[in-house]
Amino acid sequence: ELKVEQNPLFLSMQEGKNYTIYCNYSTTSDRLYWYRQDPGKSLESLFVLLSNGAVKQEGRLMASLDTKARLSTLHITAAVHDLSATYFCAGRNSGGSNYKLTFGKGTLLTVNP
Amino acid sequence: AAGVIQSPRHLIKEKRETATLKCYPIPRHDTVYWYQQGPGQDPQFLISFYEKMQSDKGSIPDRFSAQQFSDYHSELNMSSLELGDSALYFCASSLRRRQNTGELFFGEGSRLTVL
Repeated sequence: ELKVEQNPLFLSMQEGKNYTIYCNYSTTSDRLYWYRQDPGKSLESLFVLLSNGAVKQEGRLMASLDTKARLSTLHITAAVHDLSATYFCAGRNSGGSNYKLTFGKGTLLTVNP
Repeated sequence: AAGVIQSPRHLIKEKRETATLKCYPIPRHDTVYWYQQGPGQDPQFLISFYEKMQSDKGSIPDRFSAQQFSDYHSELNMSSLELGDSALYFCASSLRRRQNTGELFFGEGSRLTVL
């Protein structure tokens, strides 16, 4: 069964600083997803990473995937308060008929002025 | 663009009561998923349906059941409610085709409070 681990689980940043959230997964996952969740709200899809070496960027966020290391990263550049949220990575078991996503515990990001 | 619609958005029940949540997937999506998210927790997979047939089952209690209807909407039925069932319940839908990204699109969630 796929296991997904994120770290850190809590991240307090100053505005303007850079930081990286790490996502490790236990078995072969053919794709990796990043979602954002504001308190009590829905899960908003940020990135879908479909292959080894994939890199995607949107604004101050950049996600990458290394399938050999079973690692994905979410890099935050020059953080702003609006980025405060919980970020989840999720994997999907490759092969078979298993299409559900397995989520990590999430990283609660707080960006302070 | 149409999104996943869930109802009700909020529900308050007493212990041992029954609750039903509804989900209307994005049009033409063929797979529906139900997730449960406790306070401060990650979403936990409950059950999924592909083309109206149950396709996968996760940590869903025996007190819960779900089905997908001919119009593709899905319902999650929860009986003998317990305090621990208080959570956000998300429905998500996706399009299961080989070239598709497999991305799940989530509804706004139904917040169940059991008193």
